[in-house]
Amino acid sequence: DSGVTQTPKHLITATGQRVTLRCSPRSGDLSVYWYQQSLDQGLQFLIQYYNGEERAKGNILERFSAQQFPDLHSELNLSSLELGDSALYFCASSDEAGVLGNEQFFGPGTRLTVL
Amino acid sequence: AQSVTQPDIHITVSEGASLELRCNYSYGATPYLFWYVQSPGQGLQLLLKYFSGDTLVQGIKGFEAEFKRSQSSFNLRKPSVHWSDAAEYFCAVAYNTGGFKTIFGAGTRLFVKA
Repeated sequence: DSGVTQTPKHLITATGQRVTLRCSPRSGDLSVYWYQQSLDQGLQFLIQYYNGEERAKGNILERFSAQQFPDLHSELNLSSLELGDSALYFCASSDEAGVLGNEQFFGPGTRLTVL
Repeated sequence: AQSVTQPDIHITVSEGASLELRCNYSYGATPYLFWYVQSPGQGLQLLLKYFSGDTLVQGIKGFEAEFKRSQSSFNLRKPSVHWSDAAEYFCAVAYNTGGFKTIFGAGTRLFVKA
């Protein structure tokens, strides 16, 4: 158990809909990262937040957005969903920002299925 | 552009045999390299990391990796594979842009036969 929790574990929805994925980092970790894992794209970095502020952005679509709240949990919002958004979404946390070498601890993921 | 290549999509080894998983990276500056393991239905777990110093890095579960700058490689090794090592392995390179971006390879699926 990494200490990172993600809810829900599974999510099934329809095209055009909007969903919110939630992540609680390990106790004391200030950084949260979001990743998308799909068969065709592999594992891709989406975005990083540190103590409530966006720090790094990867291949995140404009239809997707994220935020980190004062209690440090984070939410990833996916809107206007398309079939291709079906994937496993991981959250990870670490205790430092912008300091290379900090280990990221991954949550178990949320499996999103768009029908 | 930064990239990570894992040339082997899957590898099968016998239990007790040695293992080497290949990883090549492309990055202009000093790379920060990682190997992660993902078991079915699980998140990723860090096996080891390299930032500087000794080019042979020891990790958890008996794994080690060697950084070779001249070959832009960071291959993962284990002298004797156990059935529980069957999983998917990801090589990754990280770089600092004010934040911390990590690029993952496509992964290598390891099968272990008895």
